[in-house]
Amino acid sequence: GENVEQHPSTLSVQEGDSAVIKCTYSDSASNYFPWYKQELGKRPQLIIDIRSNVGEKKDQRIAVTLNKTAKHFSLHITETQPEDSAVYFCAASQYNFNKFYFGSGTKLNVKP
Amino acid sequence: GAVVSQHPSWVICKSGTSVKIECRSLDFQATTMFWYRQFPKQSLMLMATSNEGSKATYEQGVEKDKFLINHASLTLSTLTVTSAHPEDSSFYICSASYAPQGRYEQYFGPGTRLTVT
Repeated sequence: GENVEQHPSTLSVQEGDSAVIKCTYSDSASNYFPWYKQELGKRPQLIIDIRSNVGEKKDQRIAVTLNKTAKHFSLHITETQPEDSAVYFCAASQYNFNKFYFGSGTKLNVKP
Repeated sequence: GAVVSQHPSWVICKSGTSVKIECRSLDFQATTMFWYRQFPKQSLMLMATSNEGSKATYEQGVEKDKFLINHASLTLSTLTVTSAHPEDSSFYICSASYAPQGRYEQYFGPGTRLTVT
């Protein structure tokens, strides 16, 4: 089955700095990679996703990059704000099969 | 749109009893529903995949006789934790997916915190 590894487990940045979270996956058949943000005690919320036919996708302060050859993808958050503090999960999936396999999560702390 | 609800939001039960958790898609018909388990400060672990009218597919290591899943309609799936034990205490989250314009996104419910005493 798919194995998704995520690093770092915790990340502290100063407000305004950038944050990068990295994930690797094992199954070359995976072709859909969503990122979720989860605040304490709440449901995960999709923040951005990328399909394997694209190398990069950007949405305002958030971007995701994908390297299919190396089987890794990264989340980039620029100009971080305190409200970005949360746990972020990457996931890998095969688009047609729809099952998500999540990374272990990164707790991001943005210090004002 | 794409709202998923769960009931109850939290439940406390005694060891040996069974607990049922409901997952509903409120404004769409879900082709598939998923059940996850999340321990404190840990990731979401996929337990099973559920399609309406058919048996659930369980992930390796998940006891299907302990975690009974019923998917009665395109908007409702239930997870029953049978003969609950304290080690079953966890945060259970469901998600539902549909395919608007070919996109298979998953929408998560708010979760159910189960405490077994």
